[in-house]
Formats: sequence, structure tokens, C-alpha cells
Amino acid sequence: EVQLVQSGAEVKKPGESLKISCKGSGYNFTNYSIAWVRQMPGKGLEWMGVIYPGDSDTRYSPSFQGQVTLSVDKSNSIAFLQWGSLRASDTASYYCARREVFHGLDVWGQGTTVTVSS
Amino acid sequence: DIQMTQSPSTLSASVGDRVTITCRASQSVSSWLAWYQQKPGKAPKLLIYRASTLESGVPSRFSGSGSGTEFTLTISSLQPDDFATYYCQQYNAYYTFGQGTKLEIK
Repeated sequence: EVQLVQSGAEVKKPGESLKISCKGSGYNFTNYSIAWVRQMPGKGLEWMGVIYPGDSDTRYSPSFQGQVTLSVDKSNSIAFLQWGSLRASDTASYYCARREVFHGLDVWGQGTTVTVSS
Repeated sequence: DIQMTQSPSTLSASVGDRVTITCRASQSVSSWLAWYQQKPGKAPKLLIYRASTLESGVPSRFSGSGSGTEFTLTISSLQPDDFATYYCQQYNAYYTFGQGTKLEIK
């Protein structure tokens, strides 16, 4: 079964750093890009960026450029989303999704909820 | 950036109704358009890709149409499990989601 499994919920203080993960299984992880999507409480879906595990080529949405960093550990089939200094406005659910060229985002992780509060 | 606009934002309907959701792109995305269903607290689920192709396992009461800048998602006969929020997404130039349409029980 193709699946993406994300790390658990996080509660952090403003200014702290954070790295969340997304582990792929059931397919060749290196061959499919991983996209990250933010959903703020009660709001819609926002594309953050996409990374290709084969060569770590990364593209960011202009709205998130410089705010987050995407990376991968392809030997362990894990993608990461990280923040250097969290803000309260980073409170949201974050989803990873597999990018299939023709299908769009065809497999999604279960989501990681990040809460940033003093 | 390509903007995606869905209408309506909220739709009230009954079991058995036929409903249609519209999605408009600010510029042509050809047929690079997907539809997703999301239930509260859950990840989105891919329903339709390439504007009109049903993802494997998705019931045939769902259908999509359109190309260029205008697209529709139709549910032919609403079932209780269909009450959720629906998003369109273009993937012609990276990704942009519509703002969502919440389908509520009337």
C-alpha cells in the first residue's frame, strides 16, 4: 500500500525551531516529488512548496519562500518541513502529498498539527 | 500567479440532489485541474484529475468537466457521505487551490 505517514502533533513557543517529517512507503520514494500544504484553522488549503527526492530540487510558493525549508533523506524515504523561528501565525495543520505528474497530489499524509503559543 | 475561484462558497442540499460546483481560473490551465474532498480533521482526498478523470475507487456519481478556465464538479445523487468541503486545484503552473466549497445538509 502506498502511504505517507507524518510525525505527530507539536506544541511550540514563538521563536523556537521545528522540523516535521513525512515518511513514504509502498513506492519508489525517489521518483515522486513531495508537496507540502498548509491549512490554517478553519481555512482553506495553501501550497507551500515541492521537493524532488531524486536530486533535492525544490520550488517554493512565493508566500512561503524564506519562511520554511524543505529537505529530504532519500535513503530513508523521508521528507522534512522545517522552521528556523516559529510565529503564532504558523499555527496550522501541515500536510505532505505525493505529486504524480498527471494525477496531481494523489496520496496524502494524515497531517501534522503545529500549535505555536506562548 | 494563477488564481482559482470557486462558487458557491457554501451549498445546502439534500440526499439525492444533483449538485454542481464551479471553479474558474484566472488564466488557462488547459486540463491540469484536480478536485479534492476534505472532511473535518482529515486529509484531502483526490477525486478527479485532468479535469474529468475519476481517481480509482471514487464513486461514479462524481464527475468533472471543463478545460481552459472554467470547470465543474457534479455529484449526480448526493449520498450522506458526500457532505464535506470540496477544493479545486490547478497544477499547470505549480499549484493553486480554490477557496473551497462547503457542502451542507439542507
